Amino acid sequence: EDQVTQSPEALRLQEGESSSLNCSYTVSGLRGLFWYRQDPGKGPEFLFTLYSAGEEKEKERLKATLTKKESFLHITAPKPEDSATYLCAVQARSSASKIIFGSGTRLSIRP
Amino acid sequence: EAQVTQNPRYLITVTGKKLTVTCSQNMNHEYMSWYRQDPGLGLRQIYYSMNVEVTDKGDVPEGYKVSRKEKRNFPLILESPSPNQTSLYFCASRAADGPQHFGDGTRLSIL
Repeated sequence: EDQVTQSPEALRLQEGESSSLNCSYTVSGLRGLFWYRQDPGKGPEFLFTLYSAGEEKEKERLKATLTKKESFLHITAPKPEDSATYLCAVQARSSASKIIFGSGTRLSIRP
Repeated sequence: EAQVTQNPRYLITVTGKKLTVTCSQNMNHEYMSWYRQDPGLGLRQIYYSMNVEVTDKGDVPEGYKVSRKEKRNFPLILESPSPNQTSLYFCASRAADGPQHFGDGTRLSIL
């Protein structure tokens, strides 16, 4: 069964304190792995797509990496405005339409 | 501006009273989906559509109906709502193999 597990559930950091969020996945052939950011009261906002092991994508203080079993979202020197819930999702090669989401990591950055 | 628009944003109603949540996208995307988001469970796919008149069940379709008569619209219908359908609902659209674009959500309370 295709599955996505994110850890930790919640993470509190001091401003400037770098860390990583984890997304472990089990899927029969990965078509794509997606990272989203979700602010309270809003829909998820797309950040990155990764397609194959070894791939990396960067945007400002965020960097996403991918292996055959997991993805990491590294956040470097975070600021309070980076506080949000970060969601990971996978799309299997066997299904163009089905996308499975993890439960998310709630990130809080203290000034 | 590219966007997915859901209406209403908030709705409180009673058990058994039929309701429809509308979703419209202006990006000419083929794929559209409905999700519900519950605490601790993440985003779960209710129904998806691969194009006009082509729809299929997601992970939690019971109690819901959808239709795709036009490419831009994908309404979610609750024929006889029950309290366990109280949730936050998101509509999303995407091009083939592209990332999903989400609406801002509909908070539904069934009393």
